[in-house]
Amino acid sequence: GENVEQHPSTLSVQEGDSAVIKCTYSDSASNYFPWYKQELGKRPQLIIDIRSNVGEKKDQRIAVTLNKTAKHFSLHITETQPEDSAVYFCAAASNNDMRFGAGTRLTVKP
Amino acid sequence: IAGITQAPTSQILAAGRRMTLRCTQDMRHNAMYWYRQDLGLGLRLIHYSNTAGTTGKGEVPDGYSVSRANTDDFPLTLASAVPSQTSVYFCASSDSTPPRCPTYEQYFGPGTRLTVT
Repeated sequence: GENVEQHPSTLSVQEGDSAVIKCTYSDSASNYFPWYKQELGKRPQLIIDIRSNVGEKKDQRIAVTLNKTAKHFSLHITETQPEDSAVYFCAAASNNDMRFGAGTRLTVKP
Repeated sequence: IAGITQAPTSQILAAGRRMTLRCTQDMRHNAMYWYRQDLGLGLRLIHYSNTAGTTGKGEVPDGYSVSRANTDDFPLTLASAVPSQTSVYFCASSDSTPPRCPTYEQYFGPGTRLTVT
């Protein structure tokens, strides 16, 4: 089955700096790669996703890149703000079987 | 109901007892899922259902069962709870057309915190 690895497990940045979180996956059949943000005590919420026919996608301060050949994808957050502090999960999915990375705890220091 | 709901919010359960976690969505989504979230392990898929009347096993199905009698409800049952089932359980749904199609955004419920003693 699919195996998703996520790095780093914790990340601390200064407000205004960029943050990058990286994930690798093992199943070449995976075709959908979402990123979820989970604030403390809350449910995960989708922030951006990318499909296998696209290499990059942006939404304001957030971007995701996908390298299908290397089986890795990354989340980029620019101009970080304190409210970006949360746990971020990547996932890789095919046919509704979604596997998540272990998460990255991002702390943005004011 | 708006979106996806779960009940109970939290529960303390004695080992060996039977427990059903409830999940209901009003978005008419075809697919529904159950995950458990443990510290340091992210979210792991327990069972899923692509459409009413069908279910499938996820990554960690042992000790759990599900049913999907209708589109809206997807209960998760622990037949005989064990302490290793202490976790936060999230139900999710997505508007996916089964059985094999591009996966779409999953909407998560608020979660159920279960402690098995």
